[in-house]
Amino acid sequence: NAGVTQTPKFQVLKTGQSMTLQCAQDMNHNSMYWYRQDPGMGLRLIYYSASEGTTDKGEVPNGYNVSRLNKREFSLRLESAAPSQTSVYFCASSATGDEQFFGPGTRLTVL
Amino acid sequence: TQLLEQSPQFLSIQEGENLTVYCNSSSVFSSLQWYRQEPGEGPVLLVTVVTGGEVKKLKRLTFQFGDARKDSSLHITAAQPGDTGLYLCAGPESGAGSYQLTFGKGTKLSVIP
Repeated sequence: NAGVTQTPKFQVLKTGQSMTLQCAQDMNHNSMYWYRQDPGMGLRLIYYSASEGTTDKGEVPNGYNVSRLNKREFSLRLESAAPSQTSVYFCASSATGDEQFFGPGTRLTVL
Repeated sequence: TQLLEQSPQFLSIQEGENLTVYCNSSSVFSSLQWYRQEPGEGPVLLVTVVTGGEVKKLKRLTFQFGDARKDSSLHITAAQPGDTGLYLCAGPESGAGSYQLTFGKGTKLSVIP
């Protein structure tokens, strides 16, 4: 099984550009999550989707939008990237909400 | 929001040494998970502890959940370079219908050959 996959692995953007980070899981999990990880700040939840058709804000949602395309896929969009959004982004999925399975991450740099 | 504090923040030890890292909170958690994150990778779930006082072993790693379910520890016996990584503890947010986890900021472990 592939588990949780994320694309792209690396991305460099200029300030103001937009992009979509893709995430897919093949474990038939109901819940999916987007986190960002920054030095000294730990993992911070951006948005999550408890089940197909629902999305909710996490701790740091400003500047991001999400789409739960179907049960497998959950995308994260940056409409107008800012240098403060330079980070490593992780997607995760869960059957129960507690034990989460993470993708390999997307390393994003905004110049 | 429930907070999880991990200590120490950084730990550098020689291969073969033993170590313990801690995860503490003032809140009660229904369960706690431990994850290991290797450089350049996503976190990987190691174990979930559910019952107060529970001890779980995973080869050279021993996990303990405090009796009051407010803290947990991870003990590594005879550390090896392959144990190097960021160790994160996490627990489910309280409240009905919550699907969120609270994460600690982690302990970064370096095991020197």
